[in-house]
Amino acid sequence: AAGVIQSPRHLIKEKRETATLKCYPIPRHDTVYWYQQGPGQDPQFLISFYEKMQSDKGSIPDRFSAQQFSDYHSELNMSSLELGDSALYFCASSLGGEALYEQYFGPGTRLTVT
Amino acid sequence: AQKITQTQPGMFVQEKEAVTLDCTYDTSDQSYGLFWYKQPSSGEMIFLIYQGSYDEQNATEGRYSLNFQKARKSANLVISASQLGDSAMYFCAMREGPGSARQLTFGSGTQLTVLP
Repeated sequence: AAGVIQSPRHLIKEKRETATLKCYPIPRHDTVYWYQQGPGQDPQFLISFYEKMQSDKGSIPDRFSAQQFSDYHSELNMSSLELGDSALYFCASSLGGEALYEQYFGPGTRLTVT
Repeated sequence: AQKITQTQPGMFVQEKEAVTLDCTYDTSDQSYGLFWYKQPSSGEMIFLIYQGSYDEQNATEGRYSLNFQKARKSANLVISASQLGDSAMYFCAMREGPGSARQLTFGSGTQLTVLP
């Protein structure tokens, strides 16, 4: 079965650079979530989109922005990168609506800021 | 207050034995979902099992079952017949509803080690 695709899988950037992470949800899933997992931490919610509209916002820094496109893929744009942004970034997808559907995670993008 | 509490930072279990990973939650919503995810050392987050707050039966998926005690606000994961490949970090998570695109809140995780 098709899973959530994330690219790139690994990314190394220097401080103050920008990065763009991409997420392709499971086919027919209309909802995308972004999570950040620091070393030894649990995943923290950043932002979500439902039907191409921003739905919820968590602890996402102002330096980060995201959007969901017409084909439902999503991109997380990160600017003025800091050392503390080094983390595993997960995208998850689900069916939206009122029901509490499962969220399926992609393999993650490991971002290292040097 | 913590929404999801996992009190066991680390657990050991002998291969082929059963193990229970604890999870308690805190919410004032009537509609919510509880999830368990497995994260091996490779980093991916693997969905294991889901329990809805209105589900009367405990969820089961193969060797995984969720012991849901609503009055006690607990959602423990039971893994039967442990295998070496079960060694991983296990996260309990909750999604509060209703509403579309509601995010997951995770516990701090339990590192499970299966011994040969």
